[in-house]
Amino acid sequence: AQSVTQLDSQVPVFEEAPVELRCNYSSSVSVYLFWYVQYPNQGLQLLLKYLSGSTLVESINGFEAEFNKSQTSFHLRKPSVHISDTAEYFCAVSPDSSGSRLTFGEGTQLTVNP
Amino acid sequence: KAGVTQTPRYLIKTRGQQVTLSCSPISGHRSVSWYQQTPGQGLQFLFEYFSETQRNKGNFPGRFSGRQFSNSRSEMNVSTLELGDSALYLCASSLAADSGANVLTFGAGSRLTVL
Repeated sequence: AQSVTQLDSQVPVFEEAPVELRCNYSSSVSVYLFWYVQYPNQGLQLLLKYLSGSTLVESINGFEAEFNKSQTSFHLRKPSVHISDTAEYFCAVSPDSSGSRLTFGEGTQLTVNP
Repeated sequence: KAGVTQTPRYLIKTRGQQVTLSCSPISGHRSVSWYQQTPGQGLQFLFEYFSETQRNKGNFPGRFSGRQFSNSRSEMNVSTLELGDSALYLCASSLAADSGANVLTFGAGSRLTVL
């Protein structure tokens, strides 16, 4: 069985500050890890994913996440956030690389204040 | 290119009724997955269809069912509705399963309220 724990339900930060959204997972098999973002009244959008290879993965909008097998973590970071980054972020794990059977964490609401 | 379309966007039902939700995937996508999102339980995987066959199923009672048509459109049905079925139901499509390049594209969801 797989599970995901997002350690913070809400993270308020000021614009241009760095942010880290924490995610820990549990799995008895190989894992494939994902971060999704959900803006109000919208579906989820894939932010980035770790399937294999380099443990540091990046998104096109400045977010990055590092897969740490020893700590079973996949924390999401951004060095400088914008107001437009305000959204709910979900960490997820999949038993296969297709990512079509996702187990999600409970989500972290990131609020960026001016 | 059109995204994943879910209909209806909002609906209200009463306990004991049944409901059918529809999902039209992105053209060319053959895999469709369904998720339930509630404040209490978060996002939970319902089932996945690929080429008209259910490939995977989550841990939901038999009242929740689905199907996929030859054009990859999918429907899910919930019978004998309960108050706890109130949720946002999300559909996601992708090109194919078992591919590292696979990317799920989610629809905006169907928000079901059970009174």
